[in-house]
Amino acid sequence: KAGVTQTPRYLIKTRGQQVTLSCSPISGHRSVSWYQQTPGQGLQFLFEYFSETQRNKGNFPGRFSGRQFSNSRSEMNVSTLELGDSALYLCASSLGGTGIPEAFFGQGTRLTVV
Amino acid sequence: GENVEQHPSTLSVQEGDSAVIKCTYSDSASNYFPWYKQELGKRPQLIIDIRSNVGEKKDQRIAVTLNKTAKHFSLHITETQPEDSAVYFCAASLSTGTASKLTFGTGTRLQVTL
Repeated sequence: KAGVTQTPRYLIKTRGQQVTLSCSPISGHRSVSWYQQTPGQGLQFLFEYFSETQRNKGNFPGRFSGRQFSNSRSEMNVSTLELGDSALYLCASSLGGTGIPEAFFGQGTRLTVV
Repeated sequence: GENVEQHPSTLSVQEGDSAVIKCTYSDSASNYFPWYKQELGKRPQLIIDIRSNVGEKKDQRIAVTLNKTAKHFSLHITETQPEDSAVYFCAASLSTGTASKLTFGTGTRLQVTL
């Protein structure tokens, strides 16, 4: 069974640009969550999608957005990039059903903003 | 919202000794508490979890305990080995089946020395 796949693995972008990251969950998983990991702030929750609907959101500015497709794959978009957006972006997939909360992470996309 | 505190931030033990990492959470409604291990440059991996209707759970050398009254939970690793060296994160979640998000502790860097 394939794990959670994130693409690309590495990205270098310039301030002001926008970026789109992709996450393919484990087959059968319908929930995808996104997290930002930085040395200073640790792992912080961005948002969660389930059945193409955002059902939970963290405390990030509106420049951070996401969506989920009918096949459960999810994308995250960051517009008007700032230097502080440099981080490892991780997605986690889970079944999303009642009583089954286990979440499994992808290998992450390391974004560097210059 | 939920807040999770984790201690210690670094922990050095000799091979064969035990290691204990402690976390406290603020939201008494949280009902799911996973632990993740993250090796350098790799994704966080779920190593064990516990739900609020259970006080203790064990998996080989790893155990987790939960005290709902005091709102704290701990990870215990016995007979530590060099491959246990990694950063460990605790997390808390209110998993209702309709929405869930993980709030992480700040991590504990465990070093197992020979």
